Amino acid sequence: EAQVTQNPRYLITVTGKKLTVTCSQNMNHEYMSWYRQDPGLGLRQIYYSMNVEVTDKGDVPEGYKVSRKEKRNFPLILESPSPNQTSLYFCASSWGQGIIGYNEQFFGPGTRLTVL
Amino acid sequence: ELKVEQNPLFLSMQEGKNYTIYCNYSTTSDRLYWYRQDPGKSLESLFVLLSNGAVKQEGRLMASLDTKARLSTLHITAAVHDLSATYFCAVDRAYGGSQGNLIFGKGTKLSVKP
Repeated sequence: EAQVTQNPRYLITVTGKKLTVTCSQNMNHEYMSWYRQDPGLGLRQIYYSMNVEVTDKGDVPEGYKVSRKEKRNFPLILESPSPNQTSLYFCASSWGQGIIGYNEQFFGPGTRLTVL
Repeated sequence: ELKVEQNPLFLSMQEGKNYTIYCNYSTTSDRLYWYRQDPGKSLESLFVLLSNGAVKQEGRLMASLDTKARLSTLHITAAVHDLSATYFCAVDRAYGGSQGNLIFGKGTKLSVKP
């Protein structure tokens, strides 16, 4: 089954304790992205990656890191989480550049993070 | 800067009524996406509109795209409770060749009441 998976689905942590949220897709997509969703603010892009070893900042990258060492994986790293990073996080993937037809993003199930 | 604006942001409807959600975007783009999100769930792709004048329909939902006006609409016909969800429109940040890198509107939270 074609899908985007994220782990963990729920996480409660404390300020300053490094954490990683994993994201994996099995569709051979080139493009992957991380979003956070907060009430009243919609989806805001954190980082995206156009291919292996190619990443770039989105609209709200402060406090986050990413890496893209393999095509299928795109982990999100919070080196020193703070309470303002409490949010619902989504990973998404799509085919990427040069697509003539449909190129919608497919979303993972989401990770609800609480930083105390 | 590319912006995507939806209105209304909240919509309370009675079952059986019709309504339209509007999505305006600020720069040239030739493809537009509509997604649905149920409470506590992920986003699900509803429609992909690839050209000016494109119209797609699925059940009680119909989406259209006017690239000259930079406007897409999502029309709801004879609403039913099952349509209660948040609806997002999104635009590809690239023009003339998709990157699959989308910018989203803030979403329209639709509540259909009996």
